[in-house]
Amino acid sequence: QKEVEQDPGPLSVPEGAIVSLNCTYSNSAFQYFMWYRQYSRKGPELLMYTYSSGNKEDGRFTAQVDKSSKYISLFIRDSQPSDSATYLCAMSVGKLIFGQGTELSVKP
Amino acid sequence: GAVVSQHPSRVICKSGTSVKIECRSLDFQATTMFWYRQFPKKSLMLMATSNEGSKATYEQGVEKDKFLINHASLTLSTLTVTSAHPEDSSFYICSAGGSLAGEYGTQYFGPGTRLLVL
Repeated sequence: QKEVEQDPGPLSVPEGAIVSLNCTYSNSAFQYFMWYRQYSRKGPELLMYTYSSGNKEDGRFTAQVDKSSKYISLFIRDSQPSDSATYLCAMSVGKLIFGQGTELSVKP
Repeated sequence: GAVVSQHPSRVICKSGTSVKIECRSLDFQATTMFWYRQFPKKSLMLMATSNEGSKATYEQGVEKDKFLINHASLTLSTLTVTSAHPEDSSFYICSAGGSLAGEYGTQYFGPGTRLLVL
């Protein structure tokens, strides 16, 4: 079993839709949770950072952590074509452990 | 967020030559830098962790004599792919970590270097 599981997609949605991206993990030692966005042929860009259970909102993005279920989510509201990218969840325990990444396509 | 640069952005070399990739943290001091490799449509694979002034720690299966890492200052780490072969062709990405604005455990990534070995 991988430490972090993430559905690779691809996920295709129409512009304006609400997108839900999810990861599950098995290691209770993970304390810090991140979401990165990676455009094709670019380095990952940090989107959201959380360290406790609950929700954190930043503009159209909401990160949700449920430590009891070992489950994290990223919600994107009013999705735009510019949101088309690969989204990677990552968890920190000294080093970052990444999910496989979900490829998202937002169609105009 | 913090800015990390990488140079070159892409490089093409002949088999058997060595290639050096530089990673710089531009607006903060990075005590720890990381080197990743990424294959198309795959996640990032951590190759090694480097701490300023000490030897790098390599992940299992990564040849330390082939992928030489030097972290000589708090803003610069280099990865040298020695005697490169076509199977070393990949996207190499560095990151820098540190306690920035309380975001402990996070890393900021460079734009990546695409290496093609002919």
